[in-house]
Amino acid sequence: GEDVEQSLFLSVREGDSSVINCTYTDSSSTYLYWYKQEPGAGLQLLTYIFSNMDMKQDQRLTVLLNKKDKHLSLRIADTQTGDSAIYFCAEIRDSNYQLIWGAGTKLIIKP
Amino acid sequence: KAGVTQTPRYLIKTRGQQVTLSCSPISGHRSVSWYQQTPGQGLQFLFEYFSETQRNKGNFPGRFSGRQFSNSRSEMNVSTLELGDSALYLCASSEGLGPNIQYFGAGTRLSVL
Repeated sequence: GEDVEQSLFLSVREGDSSVINCTYTDSSSTYLYWYKQEPGAGLQLLTYIFSNMDMKQDQRLTVLLNKKDKHLSLRIADTQTGDSAIYFCAEIRDSNYQLIWGAGTKLIIKP
Repeated sequence: KAGVTQTPRYLIKTRGQQVTLSCSPISGHRSVSWYQQTPGQGLQFLFEYFSETQRNKGNFPGRFSGRQFSNSRSEMNVSTLELGDSALYLCASSEGLGPNIQYFGAGTRLSVL
């Protein structure tokens, strides 16, 4: 199985909060990232969190990290149509600093 | 600062041909990584270059190769193209080795017919 797991789809109503979840396996990972990919585009870094943090907030984005359960989540408040994209979770391995990627969660916004 | 630039944006090739993709990193960044993205396999790591040396390599056949120049620009080459090589090829640059943030280009969409 994949080392980083995400649900493939999430559907939310415009204006609601979106919560995208991710589980990872390497407890020694130093950084965990969230990237966004819009159709036909590359990956855009949204936010990242150090492994010694529990939470990070940046405007509409809130990242929560539960190291005990190796669970990472991204909350997008007041979801807008422009938030439609695929969201990738990634961890960086301390052994070789390689990024390990989840399969991506496609966020679908309902009007 | 300009972002990561990949050229060309789109390519159409036929089986058996070879292709070279180019990546110009963010100014001052010395590390370049390449990824293959397909609907079925997701993001797959190809290789990483730092100071003109390959530092990490993913699990791809020898038909996939790359290099980095002294100005940190990088190229990747795929020889003897197969239909399964059709994908979005993404390049990412970072400041150096270590747990640095990777910044991505828009990608090169390769279609093999």
